Amino acid sequence: RKEVEQDPGPFNVPEGATVAFNCTYSNSASQSFFWYRQDCRKEPKLLMSVYSSGNEDGRFTAQLNRASQYISLLIRDSKLSDSATYLCVVNMFSGGYNKLIFGAGTRLAVHP
Amino acid sequence: EAGVAQSPRYKIIEKRQSVAFWCNPISGHATLYWYQQILGQGPKLLIQFQNNGVVDDSQLPKDRFSAERLKGVDSTLKIQPAKLEDSAVYLCASSPGGWGEPQHFGDGTRLSIL
Repeated sequence: RKEVEQDPGPFNVPEGATVAFNCTYSNSASQSFFWYRQDCRKEPKLLMSVYSSGNEDGRFTAQLNRASQYISLLIRDSKLSDSATYLCVVNMFSGGYNKLIFGAGTRLAVHP
Repeated sequence: EAGVAQSPRYKIIEKRQSVAFWCNPISGHATLYWYQQILGQGPKLLIQFQNNGVVDDSQLPKDRFSAERLKGVDSTLKIQPAKLEDSAVYLCASSPGGWGEPQHFGDGTRLSIL
């Protein structure tokens, strides 16, 4: 079993749609969580951190369920510019340093 | 704030040749990471430095890959000799090093092996 698993997609949705991605992780000792966005042929960029209480940034909402070991990302009112790959990242802090594990990513394609 | 700088952006070599990549992290960032990203996959950690010491190189193919971070700032990653399966994007990232700090990535080096 992979340490971080994501549905690879692609998710093809029309503009204005709401879309949700899930991510599961295997190590219950994981301590912090992130969503990164990666455009085609570009580097990953931090989209948002994920907090236990859930957090929202504009059209984006992230949720964490530690008991079930999954993280979700909800995008409301999808824009064409949201088309990208969304990477789920889990982190453990051990021995004085962070260890981050990346999922393979979920592709989103928003069409007119 | 200047971002993570990497060079070159692209490199094409033949198999069995050598290649080196360079990374300059964000100023003051203690932790530096090298990742390999193959098309359709997430980044895979090759090596992680805390200042100028290695904290994780468990997935680095040490028979052909080497990396160093002299003086705890810039870093170089070398492949010698290259194989066809090394074709990938090599990403450098840095973070301040504190608990739960996210990483900031450079543009990456796209390596093609012929």
